[in-house]
Amino acid sequence: NAGVTQTPKFRVLKTGQSMTLLCAQDMNHEYMYWYRQDPGMGLRLIHYSVGEGTTAKGEVPDGYNVSRLKKQNFLLGLESAAPSQTSVYFCASRPPGRGLQPQHFGDGTRLSIL
Amino acid sequence: QQQVKQSPQSLIVQKGGISIINCAYENTAFDYFPWYQQFPGKGPALLIAIRPDVSEKKEGRFTISFNKSAKQFSLHIMDSQPGDSATYFCAASIWSGNQFYFGTGTSLTVIP
Repeated sequence: NAGVTQTPKFRVLKTGQSMTLLCAQDMNHEYMYWYRQDPGMGLRLIHYSVGEGTTAKGEVPDGYNVSRLKKQNFLLGLESAAPSQTSVYFCASRPPGRGLQPQHFGDGTRLSIL
Repeated sequence: QQQVKQSPQSLIVQKGGISIINCAYENTAFDYFPWYQQFPGKGPALLIAIRPDVSEKKEGRFTISFNKSAKQFSLHIMDSQPGDSATYFCAASIWSGNQFYFGTGTSLTVIP
């Protein structure tokens, strides 16, 4: 019973490199989210998806792209990494329906951009 | 612009004491207010949540107090224990919406 799994857990990149963060959930949740967590800033929403094949921008989408080709996976891409993107990235999923449906979070990906 | 403002940034409480964390919001469309608990190296996990049709919700040692007119809500942890040491985030969303807006977090340390 894995829940939400994020890959990789740690990564160091050089400025300008690209990479993809993978989020996989086994709970058949419709909604999936990508957040970044920075000291003193809390969790800020990057992009989210309300179903397979659909994505939408959150509060801080610039510099990131996402794809939801399969219901269980939500990919976050950095095309040209910048030091400002050094952060801890969290993926979350939520059951269908509205209201008191909690988000289930993964354990994060720690990304450093040099 | 921070949609949800949270204070204090850090809090140190003696074992057995009461921990109080406060949050405030501006958007009157928000009508769902969850609190999340996060341990080091882990993702946040839902702790307790409230809707504005009630002024208080209690689950064990954790209580949310809600003041709709002041647009404020707070988390009270009674009989705080060292195992409660974690970072706590308040959040807000619209019941029918998809986005959650988080506060900046409070690092709670409960000393024995």
